[in-house]
Amino acid sequence: QPLLTQPPSVSAAPGQKVTISCSGSNFDIWSNYVSWYQHLPGTAPRLLIYDNDKRPSGIPGRFSGSMSGPSAILGISGLQTGDEGAYYCATWVASLSVVVFGGGTNLTV
Amino acid sequence: QVQLVQSGPEMKTPGSSLKVSCKASGGTLTSYAVTWVRQAPGHGLEWLGGFIPLFGKSAYAQRFLGRVTISADESTAYMELNSLTSDDTAVYYCALPSRTTTWTPLFNSWGQGTLVTVSS
Repeated sequence: QPLLTQPPSVSAAPGQKVTISCSGSNFDIWSNYVSWYQHLPGTAPRLLIYDNDKRPSGIPGRFSGSMSGPSAILGISGLQTGDEGAYYCATWVASLSVVVFGGGTNLTV
Repeated sequence: QVQLVQSGPEMKTPGSSLKVSCKASGGTLTSYAVTWVRQAPGHGLEWLGGFIPLFGKSAYAQRFLGRVTISADESTAYMELNSLTSDDTAVYYCALPSRTTTWTPLFNSWGQGTLVTVSS
């Protein structure tokens, strides 16, 4: 089964920068684009990054996406307490015709 | 951007079936991969599957094959889940990608979520 592995948690002080990795297993993570979501308690998930590194309109430039080796990376700079929540990567695995979500990373600011 | 409104919370007993609806406004569902995602308590987001009305094509997560059916017409999507257990207790979301006719998970429209509780 394809897997996307994320660290369970990350933390940093307000104003600092944090990165969250998303590593693919049992499939080539470069074979399709990766998206990133922010999920705050009591709300629907919010698309932060699509196509590995693109931001939808309305998403601040503090959020960035990149690819590095076998992993997708989400960067969040200028951390704010309002950024606290869960972050998920996701991709389409064409060889199996399934969408896979990472296990999620809880961010503490 | 299409707005999505889901049906209300559900209480179900083990072994029963569930059907959640997701109504679109401000656009139609026809060309989109209408997708269902859930989050169980203490767990992350989980993709159940999707359906593209234009092509009549569906895709499902392997662990739900045979137990879930996703359907949609131009205005409303449905997710049916059978043989419920307590492990199916979760918030269920419908979502639409920003691009038509693609399974790529760039979901920029989400329903508000439907809380489903399965308990005897």
